[in-house]
Amino acid sequence: TQLLEQSPQFLSIQEGENLTVYCNSSSVFSSLQWYRQEPGEGPVLLVTVVTGGEVKKLKRLTFQFGDARKDSSLHITAAQPGDTGLYLCAGDTGTASKLTFGTGTRLQVTL
Amino acid sequence: KAGVTQTPRYLIKTRGQQVTLSCSPISGHRSVSWYQQTPGQGLQFLFEYFSETQRNKGNFPGRFSGRQFSNSRSEMNVSTLELGDSALYLCASSFGLATYTDTQYFGPGTRLTVL
Repeated sequence: TQLLEQSPQFLSIQEGENLTVYCNSSSVFSSLQWYRQEPGEGPVLLVTVVTGGEVKKLKRLTFQFGDARKDSSLHITAAQPGDTGLYLCAGDTGTASKLTFGTGTRLQVTL
Repeated sequence: KAGVTQTPRYLIKTRGQQVTLSCSPISGHRSVSWYQQTPGQGLQFLFEYFSETQRNKGNFPGRFSGRQFSNSRSEMNVSTLELGDSALYLCASSFGLATYTDTQYFGPGTRLTVL
């Protein structure tokens, strides 16, 4: 059972555009992580959010954790081709030390 | 510091065979988790080992098993392979048990194809 739904599934945009990826669940998570995975590689952690309503910025990426800790968003400003990849959110329920991954959003940024 | 290494990187097997995949964690890391990634199901947790003990297990059949050695290296085994086992198998290591306080570092994965 997939507990974390991401939208959109696919996104193809041009360099310089802004975009937002959503990660939604009916479950409450003690923390939520965002990863980026490039072809032929494993996911790489971008950020961990813990507190409801928390906002974290990583250069042009802004991450937000929902007030109820059931959802999160990733906003990219002025996308660049280097942002291309599969973006995954992953939730930690805190009851068992394992992550539940979202369905993924595949982003392609073209020149 | 060397990253997580997985061997082999690619593997082709036929139905009914068994396979063993290997993972060497980052030096000093004691936790190793295994995940299966497929286009249809995404990334799914298989199991986690810490100090040679299985601490958590996902919802996979008993054909999937694993172990961890005293040097923290881990292996996973899949017996009686099925076509649906074709996937990218990812290993991740962390210093402690994989919670939000401990960053997981993923290896590049082993691409298994079952014919």
